[in-house]
Formats: sequence, structure tokens, C-alpha cells
Amino acid sequence: DTEVTQTPKHLVMGMTNKKSLKCEQHMGHRAMYWYKQKAKKPPELMFVYSYEKLSINESVPSRFSPECPNSSLLNLHLHALQPEDSALYLCASSLRTSGGSRGGTDTQYFGPGTRLTVL
Amino acid sequence: GDSVTQMEGPVTLSEEAFLTINCTYTATGYPSLFWYVQYPGEGLQLLLKATKADDKGSNKGFEATYRKETTSFHLEKGSVQVSDSAVYFCALSDSFIGSQGNLIFGKGTKLSVKP
Repeated sequence: DTEVTQTPKHLVMGMTNKKSLKCEQHMGHRAMYWYKQKAKKPPELMFVYSYEKLSINESVPSRFSPECPNSSLLNLHLHALQPEDSALYLCASSLRTSGGSRGGTDTQYFGPGTRLTVL
Repeated sequence: GDSVTQMEGPVTLSEEAFLTINCTYTATGYPSLFWYVQYPGEGLQLLLKATKADDKGSNKGFEATYRKETTSFHLEKGSVQVSDSAVYFCALSDSFIGSQGNLIFGKGTKLSVKP
């Protein structure tokens, strides 16, 4: 089973709203990721969590706030977003972020995404 | 830095035609290579992968061979179907010791298959 689930599937919010995106996996993966994807573009990495700790923040504005409450869950809290933040938000997970002392990589598995529209 | 270059799309083919989508890469260490597919309105699905030179990844009739000498990972399918219409992303994840293993994506190639 390589399933990553995301809720909600669609979200429309105003610029003053607070909302959250949720991501869940039960594959025992210890690395989880948030990506943002604009139309006709590849995904852009936003955040990486490794063993429930934030390991990478790709200079994302503070109106996006990630949270990893346990090894299976990843949230993205949204507040005071701008219309240009409208995009597909993708969650992914992998066994680890890297192969550790031996190097190597682990495959990332993506969820179906949340289509966010900011009015 | 690491990078992935994919052929520009869109690519339009008739059903049962042969498909090739070119992908070349530059990397510091010993990357793993991936093809992801994104159907309209959906997230990314792993199509196939290869973790070392000369490995061949295959799935659903698609194949790609990791060619270190030409730094390439071209995607091929012998006979495409309408249901293969999607955007295809080539990606690498570098694997030098201490790397974060982040995915580097190509720009994507949109494939449209006509009946």
C-alpha cells in the first residue's frame, strides 16, 4: 500500500480566513513533504519534516505554517493568504529523507492534492 | 547544481503510436531517477524508477533505462492509449552522503493521445 491521503480535495477561502490542509499516511514513513504546484509547472518544495521535526523550509512566507503532530500526520495551516497563493498543494512521504551514512534515496509517494482558491 | 531537462511539449500522438519523452540530467552524486505521471486534476503518481546505472524501470508498458554515459533517462512506450494522456515529469534525487534526497523535477511534458 503506497497511499497518501489529503483533505479537503477542494478549498475556497477569503484572504482573512484561517484554514488547514491535512495529509495522512500509514506506510511507516518518517519523512513528509509539502509542495505547491501552479498550473503547467512542476511541484515546488515548501517544507520537509524528518522524524516529526522540520528539516527544510524553502523560504516560505509565514502565512503558511506546517505542523507534524505525529509520524502519520502532516498539516498545513493557512492564514491571511493572497490570491497568488491559489494552487494545488501536494503532500508526499518517503521512508526517510536520505539514506543516512550510506547515502541513497527513498522514493517519494504523493497524495492527490488539495486545490486551493484564494478569493 | 543538480538539474533535469525534459523535451518541451505538448506531444500529440495517435493511439497505438510509439512514445519517447527525452530526459537528461546533471547531478553531483549518484542520483536515483524517476518518472512521475499526473493525470488531469490529480496528484503525481510514481510511474517508474531506477536507482543505479543500467537499471531499467518499467510499469504499465512504459520503460526507461538509466544511462550514466549519456546522463539520460528517456521514457518510452511501444503503443500509447488515450488513457495515457497526462503530464509526465522526469525527476532526480541525489544521493551523496548527507544529502536531503530532495526531488529535482523537469518542467513536465504534456502528452495528448487521440483516438
